[in-house]
Amino acid sequence: DGGITQSPKYLFRKEGQNVTLSCEQNLNHDAMYWYRQDPGQGLRLIYYSQIVNDFQKGDIAEGYSVSREKKESFPLTVTSAQKNPTAFYLCASSFSMAGELFFGEGSRLTVL
Amino acid sequence: GENVEQHPSTLSVQEGDSAVIKCTYSDSASNYFPWYKQELGKRPQLIIDIRSNVGEKKDQRIAVTLNKTAKHFSLHITETQPEDSAVYFCAASINDNNDMRFGAGTRLTVKP
Repeated sequence: DGGITQSPKYLFRKEGQNVTLSCEQNLNHDAMYWYRQDPGQGLRLIYYSQIVNDFQKGDIAEGYSVSREKKESFPLTVTSAQKNPTAFYLCASSFSMAGELFFGEGSRLTVL
Repeated sequence: GENVEQHPSTLSVQEGDSAVIKCTYSDSASNYFPWYKQELGKRPQLIIDIRSNVGEKKDQRIAVTLNKTAKHFSLHITETQPEDSAVYFCAASINDNNDMRFGAGTRLTVKP
């Protein structure tokens, strides 16, 4: 089954801890993205990657980090520097930077 | 940068009625306008999109219209059904997915 998989679905973290969200796709897409979704707001771009070993900051990259060591994988680390990390995080991929976005099912992070 | 505003934030209609969701954008250079549907607990999915070289596009019960002069575009759903109940997001982009901006979303409820 082709698709994009995020894990974990739910995650709890104590303040001051880093946490890594996983995103894997088997669609052979070059581009991958991380969005943050908050109530009453649209999706906001955190980071994106056009190709392996390359990634760029989006609109709200502060407090986040990513890596793209493999085409299939684009993990997001929410660091302790992120002031308001509780949110719903969506990973997406697309064949090209101008193509349709295919989203994962999301990861809900709660900081206790 | 681009700013996308979406109205209304919530919309409730009777089954069989039409629903209209409107978005405005700020950057006249935007030329790609997708609409994503997110059912409760599921991933966003592209339902229709339009590029700036056309004014209207239809796909069965859904249609999108674009007014480039006024910088607004709308989603029209006719003969609504309960399964149309979801959050709908509009978006606008100039070139690629990295500059795509999303509206805040409209929660549509279709009452049987």
